[in-house]
Amino acid sequence: GAVVSQHPSWVICKSGTSVKIECRSLDFQATTMFWYRQFPKQSLMLMATSNEGSKATYEQGVEKDKFLINHASLTLSTLTVTSAHPEDSSFYICSASEGYEQPQHFGDGTRLSIL
Amino acid sequence: ILNVEQSPQSLHVQEGDSTNFTCSFPSSNFYALHWYRWETAKSPEALFVMTLNGDEKKKGRISATLNTKEGYSYLYIKGSQPEDSATYLCAPNTGNQFYFGTGTSLTVIP
Repeated sequence: GAVVSQHPSWVICKSGTSVKIECRSLDFQATTMFWYRQFPKQSLMLMATSNEGSKATYEQGVEKDKFLINHASLTLSTLTVTSAHPEDSSFYICSASEGYEQPQHFGDGTRLSIL
Repeated sequence: ILNVEQSPQSLHVQEGDSTNFTCSFPSSNFYALHWYRWETAKSPEALFVMTLNGDEKKKGRISATLNTKEGYSYLYIKGSQPEDSATYLCAPNTGNQFYFGTGTSLTVIP
C-alpha cells in the first residue's frame, strides 16, 4: 500500500528556533501534498496544499511567512515553522495524494513542543 | 470554510452490534467525499472516496452511502468488532480544499 513517511515524529525546542518537518511518499508519486494541524480536541485543520513544482496554496488565516512549505519533488514536501513560539506547539500531520479524487495517505504526524 | 458536521460525536456499542453515523456538508460546489479511520497512535487510513450521488461503497463489514443533493453521507459498520474502535472522519472536497469533520469516536465493547 501507499506509504508516507513523516519525520521527525516529536520535536521539543526553544522559542525562536526554526523547525523543519519532512513528508515523503515512499512508493508512489504524490502530485499533491497536504499539511494539517490539529489543536487539542479538534479535528484536522488544513493549513496548505502543495503541488509539485508550484507554490503552496495556504488556507485563510495561515501565515505564509511563518509556515514555509516546499514541494520540490513528487516524493518530498517540507514544512518549516520559522521562529517558532509556544503558540505554535501542536500536532502537525501531512498527507499525500495522486489526485483530488484519490485517497490521501497520511504520515504519522509530528508533535511540536516549543518551550 | 466548509461547515462539516459529524454525528454522533461518540458512540459505544457492544461487539456484534451494527452501527452507523452521519456526515453532513453543504451540497454546493461538491467534488468528492472522503472517509478515513483514525486509530489511536496511528495515522488516518483511507476508507472510501465517493463522488457520485447515490454511490454506495463497501469494504468488508464497512459500507458508505452518499447523497450529494442533500449533502450527507452515512457510514455503516456491520457486526462491530473491538478492532473497529477508532475515530471516523469524513472530509468533503470542493475541488482543491478539504475540510475534515470533527469525527465520530467509536468504541466497541467486547
